[in-house]
Amino acid sequence: ETGVTQSPTHLIKTRGQQVTLRCSSQSGHNTVSWYQQALGQGPQFIFQYYREEENGRGNFPPRFSGLQFPNYSSELNVNALELDDSALYLCASSHPMRGYTFGSGTRLTVV
Amino acid sequence: QKEVEQDPGPLSVPEGAIVSLNCTYSNSAFQYFMWYRQYSRKGPELLMYTYSSGNKEDGRFTAQVDKSSKYISLFIRDSQPSDSATYLCAMSDGGAGSYQLTFGKGTKLSVIP
Repeated sequence: ETGVTQSPTHLIKTRGQQVTLRCSSQSGHNTVSWYQQALGQGPQFIFQYYREEENGRGNFPPRFSGLQFPNYSSELNVNALELDDSALYLCASSHPMRGYTFGSGTRLTVV
Repeated sequence: QKEVEQDPGPLSVPEGAIVSLNCTYSNSAFQYFMWYRQYSRKGPELLMYTYSSGNKEDGRFTAQVDKSSKYISLFIRDSQPSDSATYLCAMSDGGAGSYQLTFGKGTKLSVIP
């Protein structure tokens, strides 16, 4: 068991819609990161939150936004969905000395 | 040029074979090197973590880092059908858990019984 839970597991949305993905982090891990993994590609870093503040962002537009809550759970919000946003979205919680623990991901399909 | 290059395979080997997986990178700032295993429909699982150059062994797995050549490898001895998965190399310029990771595309491995 990874200790990182993501919901939902699968999601189908229409282009232009908005989506919220959720992540419940492993206890004691105060850093959470989100990654996008397109089919056949490695995960790409979207952003990272530490103590409820964004403290790092990859090459993703502002329509990708996030939140981290006091209980270290997190949300990824994507506005104005595009077809290219179809991917597996991975949440990872981390401890500085133990590295990342990834969830199983949410598979988003935009039609 | 991508920061991290990894041959996507697919790679198919018979059970018991030695498997060699490799990545090259261009960013000299990378100091932490990881190998993840990803089964279908699952998130990546950390296999090996190495700081700077050198070798690290864990059971049937050996990770090697050659920073002078910007080249990292993962060797799997006595490969098993359960090793069939996609293997991702990942790197960062900070700690293994506090900084963004840059991944390769992944190599899909099949171990045939």
